[in-house]
Amino acid sequence: ETGVTQTPRHLVMGMTNKKSLKCEQHLGHNAMYWYKQSAKKPLELMFVYNFKEQTENNSVPSRFSPECPNSSHLFLHLHTLQPEDSALYLCASSQDVDRQGRETQYFGPGTRLLVL
Amino acid sequence: AQTVTQSQPEMSVQEAETVTLSCTYDTSESDYYLFWYKQPPSRQMILVIRQEAYKQQNATENRFSVNFQKAAKSFSLKISDSQLGDAAMYFCAYKESNYQLIWGAGTKLIIKP
Repeated sequence: ETGVTQTPRHLVMGMTNKKSLKCEQHLGHNAMYWYKQSAKKPLELMFVYNFKEQTENNSVPSRFSPECPNSSHLFLHLHTLQPEDSALYLCASSQDVDRQGRETQYFGPGTRLLVL
Repeated sequence: AQTVTQSQPEMSVQEAETVTLSCTYDTSESDYYLFWYKQPPSRQMILVIRQEAYKQQNATENRFSVNFQKAAKSFSLKISDSQLGDAAMYFCAYKESNYQLIWGAGTKLIIKP
């Protein structure tokens, strides 16, 4: 039991669809993250939330819209995606957004997204 | 800019043998953290081991240990007594005074029975 869950595990969507990815952490953490993992590329940080407030948006296109209603839940709303957005989307959490670099991030199992 | 390099795209080892995965990084900072994560076919990203740069002692977690050479900016992972369940992608990652993890490209580890 990793403490971080993600649903759905797999998602196929057309470019005109609207869907949402969900992440939930059971670790009592305050910070949550969305990453994109594409084939043969290092993980890309997309968004960071700390105490429900967005602290980082790494130049992510507006077709990706995050939502953090509380410290335990994080959503990624998807609309009008492109085929190149097909990837594994990983959620992670840590105790805090640690400015001293001490915190360890714990990851969920990911959602495998295919955009047709 | 900080970079993390994993020069071995793929490694294979006989079950019960020892294997070492290499990782080098580039930074001008003196205080930072290094991590090894494992990603099995299930795609879960699992923390294997972490090392604080200010600690001279190499981190150890059961069969996993690191060889941290700060001057050489090297952070290799040694897996002893390899098991079939160790088969996975292994990612080296670096973090300094913020939350941003800088990731290597990964090494695929194959365990031969």
